[in-house]
Amino acid sequence: IVLTQSPATLSLSPGERATLSCRASQSISNLLAWYQQKPGQAPRLLFYDASNRATGIPARFSGSGSETDFTLTISSLEPEDFAVYFCQQRSSWPQTFGQGTKVEIK
Amino acid sequence: EVQLVESGGGLVQPGGSLRLSCAGSGFAFSSYWMHWLRQVPGKGPEWVSRIRSDGTSTSSADSVKGRFTISRDNAKNTLYLQMNDLRVEDTAVYYCARGLLPTANNYFDPWGQGTLVTVSS
Repeated sequence: IVLTQSPATLSLSPGERATLSCRASQSISNLLAWYQQKPGQAPRLLFYDASNRATGIPARFSGSGSETDFTLTISSLEPEDFAVYFCQQRSSWPQTFGQGTKVEIK
Repeated sequence: EVQLVESGGGLVQPGGSLRLSCAGSGFAFSSYWMHWLRQVPGKGPEWVSRIRSDGTSTSSADSVKGRFTISRDNAKNTLYLQMNDLRVEDTAVYYCARGLLPTANNYFDPWGQGTLVTVSS
Protein backbone atom coordinates (compact mmCIF):
# COMPACT_ATOMS: atom_id res chain seq x y z
CA ILE A 1 0.00 0.00 0.00
CA VAL A 2 1.42 3.36 -1.09
CA LEU A 3 0.86 6.35 1.17
CA THR A 4 1.06 9.76 -0.50
CA GLN A 5 1.50 12.80 1.71
CA SER A 6 0.77 16.37 0.71
CA PRO A 7 2.04 18.95 0.58
CA ALA A 8 5.73 18.04 0.66
CA THR A 9 6.47 21.29 2.48
CA LEU A 10 4.18 23.58 4.45
CA SER A 11 5.49 27.07 5.26
CA LEU A 12 3.58 28.64 8.13
CA SER A 13 4.03 31.05 11.01
CA PRO A 14 3.68 30.24 14.71
CA GLY A 15 0.04 30.44 15.74
CA GLU A 16 -1.24 29.40 12.32
CA ARG A 17 -3.22 26.24 11.60
CA ALA A 18 -1.51 23.36 9.81
CA THR A 19 -3.41 20.76 7.80
CA LEU A 20 -1.47 17.73 6.54
CA SER A 21 -2.88 15.08 4.23
CA CYS A 22 -2.12 11.38 3.78
CA ARG A 23 -3.81 9.36 1.02
CA ALA A 24 -3.66 5.57 0.80
CA SER A 25 -3.60 3.72 -2.52
CA GLN A 26 -6.39 1.44 -1.25
CA SER A 27 -8.72 1.34 1.71
CA ILE A 28 -6.97 0.82 5.05
CA SER A 29 -10.01 1.35 7.30
CA ASN A 30 -8.67 3.46 10.18
CA LEU A 31 -5.35 1.62 10.53
CA LEU A 32 -3.12 4.66 10.22
CA ALA A 33 -0.60 6.35 12.47
CA TRP A 34 1.10 9.74 12.42
CA TYR A 35 4.66 10.41 13.62
CA GLN A 36 6.65 13.57 14.22
CA GLN A 37 10.40 13.66 13.55
CA LYS A 38 12.78 16.45 14.47
CA PRO A 39 16.33 16.74 13.07
CA GLY A 40 18.67 14.16 14.54
CA GLN A 41 15.88 12.41 16.44
CA ALA A 42 13.85 9.26 15.98
CA PRO A 43 10.20 9.49 14.94
CA ARG A 44 7.70 9.93 17.77
CA LEU A 45 4.20 8.47 17.65
CA LEU A 46 1.45 11.10 17.65
CA PHE A 47 -1.71 9.18 16.69
CA TYR A 48 -2.70 5.60 16.03
CA ASP A 49 -5.88 4.16 14.53
CA ALA A 50 -6.23 7.53 12.79
CA SER A 51 -7.52 9.52 15.75
CA ASN A 52 -6.25 8.01 18.99
CA ARG A 53 -3.77 10.43 20.55
CA ALA A 54 -0.60 8.82 21.92
CA THR A 55 0.54 9.46 25.47
CA GLY A 56 1.68 13.01 26.12
CA ILE A 57 0.60 14.50 22.78
CA PRO A 58 -0.89 17.99 23.22
CA ALA A 59 -4.54 18.65 22.44
CA ARG A 60 -3.66 21.12 19.66
CA PHE A 61 -2.88 18.04 17.55
CA SER A 62 -5.80 16.10 16.06
CA GLY A 63 -6.08 13.20 13.65
CA SER A 64 -9.01 12.20 11.46
CA GLY A 65 -10.02 10.20 8.43
CA SER A 66 -10.81 6.70 7.25
CA GLU A 67 -10.56 4.39 4.24
CA THR A 68 -8.14 6.27 1.96
CA ASP A 69 -8.05 9.89 3.18
CA PHE A 70 -6.51 11.05 6.43
CA THR A 71 -5.66 14.40 7.98
CA LEU A 72 -3.37 15.60 10.74
CA THR A 73 -4.27 19.04 12.03
CA ILE A 74 -2.27 21.29 14.33
CA SER A 75 -4.68 23.98 15.47
CA SER A 76 -2.11 26.62 16.43
CA LEU A 77 1.55 26.00 15.66
CA GLU A 78 4.01 26.23 18.52
CA PRO A 79 7.76 26.69 17.84
CA GLU A 80 8.43 23.06 18.79
CA ASP A 81 5.95 21.78 16.17
CA PHE A 82 8.15 22.66 13.21
CA ALA A 83 9.30 19.23 12.10
CA VAL A 84 8.67 16.48 9.56
CA TYR A 85 5.50 14.40 9.86
CA PHE A 86 5.02 10.88 8.52
CA CYS A 87 1.96 8.69 8.18
CA GLN A 88 2.13 4.88 8.40
CA GLN A 89 -0.36 2.08 7.71
CA ARG A 90 -0.65 -1.29 9.41
CA SER A 91 -3.59 -2.60 7.35
CA SER A 92 -1.48 -4.94 5.28
CA TRP A 93 2.02 -6.40 5.15
CA PRO A 94 4.43 -4.79 4.83
CA GLN A 95 3.69 -1.78 6.99
CA THR A 96 4.52 1.27 4.91
CA PHE A 97 5.21 4.95 5.49
CA GLY A 98 4.53 8.09 3.52
CA GLN A 99 7.39 10.23 2.27
CA GLY A 100 6.72 12.97 4.81
CA THR A 101 5.52 16.57 5.06
CA LYS A 102 7.94 19.16 6.37
CA VAL A 103 6.35 21.94 8.39
CA GLU A 104 8.75 24.87 8.26
CA ILE A 105 8.74 28.37 9.67
CA LYS A 106 7.63 30.98 7.16
CA GLU B 1 11.14 5.29 31.60
CA VAL B 2 10.87 3.11 28.53
CA GLN B 3 14.18 3.12 26.69
CA LEU B 4 15.66 1.42 23.64
CA VAL B 5 19.36 1.77 22.87
CA GLU B 6 20.85 0.49 19.63
CA SER B 7 24.50 -0.32 19.00
CA GLY B 8 26.65 -2.06 16.43
CA GLY B 9 26.43 0.24 13.44
CA GLY B 10 29.42 1.33 11.42
CA LEU B 11 31.17 1.28 8.07
CA VAL B 12 31.29 -2.01 6.20
CA GLN B 13 32.25 -3.00 2.68
CA PRO B 14 29.70 -4.40 0.23
CA GLY B 15 29.21 -8.11 0.90
CA GLY B 16 30.19 -7.70 4.53
CA SER B 17 28.27 -8.39 7.74
CA LEU B 18 27.20 -6.50 10.85
CA ARG B 19 25.16 -7.38 13.91
CA LEU B 20 23.03 -4.69 15.49
CA SER B 21 21.83 -4.88 19.08
CA CYS B 22 19.01 -3.08 20.86
CA ALA B 23 18.84 -3.07 24.65
CA GLY B 24 15.42 -2.45 26.16
CA SER B 25 14.70 -1.17 29.66
CA GLY B 26 11.83 0.24 31.68
CA PHE B 27 9.24 -2.21 30.37
CA ALA B 28 8.42 -5.93 30.19
CA PHE B 29 10.57 -6.63 27.13
CA SER B 30 9.44 -10.25 26.81
CA SER B 31 5.80 -9.18 26.40
CA TYR B 32 6.18 -7.12 23.22
CA TRP B 33 6.60 -7.60 19.51
CA MET B 34 9.81 -5.86 18.50
CA HIS B 35 10.78 -4.38 15.16
CA TRP B 36 13.70 -3.05 13.17
CA LEU B 37 13.16 -0.13 10.81
CA ARG B 38 15.57 1.92 8.76
CA GLN B 39 15.62 5.38 7.27
CA VAL B 40 17.68 7.03 4.59
CA PRO B 41 18.09 10.73 5.45
CA GLY B 42 15.38 12.78 3.77
CA LYS B 43 13.15 9.75 3.16
CA GLY B 44 10.32 8.07 5.02
CA PRO B 45 11.17 5.15 7.31
CA GLU B 46 11.11 1.60 5.96
CA TRP B 47 10.02 -1.36 8.05
CA VAL B 48 12.68 -4.09 7.97
CA SER B 49 11.84 -6.97 10.28
CA ARG B 50 9.74 -8.05 13.28
CA ILE B 51 9.78 -10.74 15.92
CA ARG B 52 7.06 -11.98 18.22
CA SER B 53 7.37 -11.49 21.95
CA ASP B 54 8.42 -15.10 22.56
CA GLY B 55 10.64 -15.27 19.49
CA THR B 56 8.58 -17.97 17.77
CA SER B 57 7.54 -15.92 14.74
CA THR B 58 9.54 -13.59 12.52
CA SER B 59 9.01 -11.73 9.27
CA SER B 60 11.19 -9.53 7.10
CA ALA B 61 10.74 -7.16 4.20
CA ASP B 62 11.40 -8.58 0.73
CA SER B 63 14.34 -6.18 0.34
CA VAL B 64 16.29 -7.95 3.11
CA LYS B 65 14.80 -11.45 3.10
CA GLY B 66 17.47 -14.13 3.07
CA ARG B 67 20.17 -11.65 4.12
CA PHE B 68 18.97 -10.22 7.47
CA THR B 69 17.93 -12.26 10.52
CA ILE B 70 16.09 -10.88 13.52
CA SER B 71 16.39 -12.54 16.92
CA ARG B 72 15.97 -11.74 20.59
CA ASP B 73 17.22 -12.80 24.01
CA ASN B 74 14.47 -12.08 26.51
CA ALA B 75 16.74 -13.00 29.42
CA LYS B 76 18.99 -10.11 28.38
CA ASN B 77 16.18 -7.78 27.22
CA THR B 78 18.00 -7.49 23.91
CA LEU B 79 16.95 -7.51 20.26
CA TYR B 80 19.35 -8.32 17.44
CA LEU B 81 19.61 -7.88 13.68
CA GLN B 82 22.21 -9.98 11.90
CA MET B 83 22.90 -8.38 8.53
CA ASN B 84 24.80 -10.39 5.93
CA ASP B 85 25.70 -9.74 2.28
CA LEU B 86 25.28 -6.02 2.82
CA ARG B 87 24.65 -3.81 -0.19
CA VAL B 88 25.20 -0.11 -0.80
CA GLU B 89 21.43 0.36 -0.74
CA ASP B 90 21.32 -0.93 2.86
CA THR B 91 23.00 2.30 3.98
CA ALA B 92 20.65 3.98 6.46
CA VAL B 93 20.00 4.78 10.10
CA TYR B 94 18.63 1.63 11.72
CA TYR B 95 16.11 1.91 14.52
CA CYS B 96 14.65 -0.65 16.84
CA ALA B 97 11.10 -0.01 17.99
CA ARG B 98 8.55 -1.59 20.28
CA GLY B 99 5.22 -2.64 18.85
CA LEU B 100 2.36 -0.65 20.32
CA LEU B 101 -0.20 -3.45 20.00
CA PRO B 102 -0.09 -7.23 20.60
CA THR B 103 -0.28 -7.85 16.87
CA ALA B 104 2.13 -8.60 14.04
CA ASN B 105 1.27 -5.61 11.84
CA ASN B 106 1.80 -2.73 14.18
CA TYR B 107 2.50 0.83 15.08
CA PHE B 108 5.86 1.72 16.64
CA ASP B 109 6.30 3.32 20.04
CA PRO B 110 8.87 4.15 21.17
CA TRP B 111 11.87 4.11 18.85
CA GLY B 112 15.51 3.93 19.83
CA GLN B 113 17.91 6.72 18.93
CA GLY B 114 19.17 4.85 15.89
CA THR B 115 22.53 3.54 14.69
CA LEU B 116 24.08 4.43 11.35
CA VAL B 117 25.06 1.67 8.95
CA THR B 118 27.17 2.73 5.99
CA VAL B 119 27.95 0.24 3.23
CA SER B 120 30.71 1.51 1.01
CA SER B 121 33.97 0.41 -0.53
